[in-house]
Amino acid sequence: QQQVKQSPQSLIVQKGGISIINCAYENTAFDYFPWYQQFPGKGPALLIAIRPDVSEKKEGRFTISFNKSAKQFSLHIMDSQPGDSATYFCAASRGGSYIPTFGRGTSLIVHP
Amino acid sequence: DTGVSQDPRHKITKRGQNVTFRCDPISEHNRLYWYRQTLGQGPEFLTYFQNEAQLEKSRLLSDRFSAERPKGSFSTLEIQRTEQGDSAMYLCASSRRGTGDTGELFFGEGSRLTVL
Repeated sequence: QQQVKQSPQSLIVQKGGISIINCAYENTAFDYFPWYQQFPGKGPALLIAIRPDVSEKKEGRFTISFNKSAKQFSLHIMDSQPGDSATYFCAASRGGSYIPTFGRGTSLIVHP
Repeated sequence: DTGVSQDPRHKITKRGQNVTFRCDPISEHNRLYWYRQTLGQGPEFLTYFQNEAQLEKSRLLSDRFSAERPKGSFSTLEIQRTEQGDSAMYLCASSRRGTGDTGELFFGEGSRLTVL
């Protein structure tokens, strides 16, 4: 049972373009939604996170949009750069336990 | 370097052998997590500790797997009688649970296991 579904599996964008990654969850008890970025040979690192009391959170070029009724959230990367090329994981956790359940990941390639 | 460190980074073993991985968390973090990641998949939760207490274990953690965190500091993950299906990256993460908790997990670079 996949509790957090992520799409697309891979994404190729041109430098300066917008990268959009979508996630959907099933468990309504989830109340914390982080995005992690992973470079080859490294562990995941927190990029940005949101709680369901807000519909959007922006940090620099990265924005999370959250739709509680649809149980969906997405990551937008504006002005994508080659250095953004990495694997991105959405995740969700519940009840203050902060044990994230991860999506399967999206491999992003930004062409110069 | 004050990040999460894992040892060894790579381990190649034959099927049926036992292996042990070590994780040293960030020093002030009281929570420690183990995840498993296979190629093309997201990290899958195995178990976590708060201080020295193991509070939750995933169904993925079969009887051949055991994790310890003596004295609430470093942790070890042992896999007995390894199988080829155990081949994966084993990730350790730590966090600080309590006042000011942001929910952020800090991951190490992982220990890659290859079972021949």
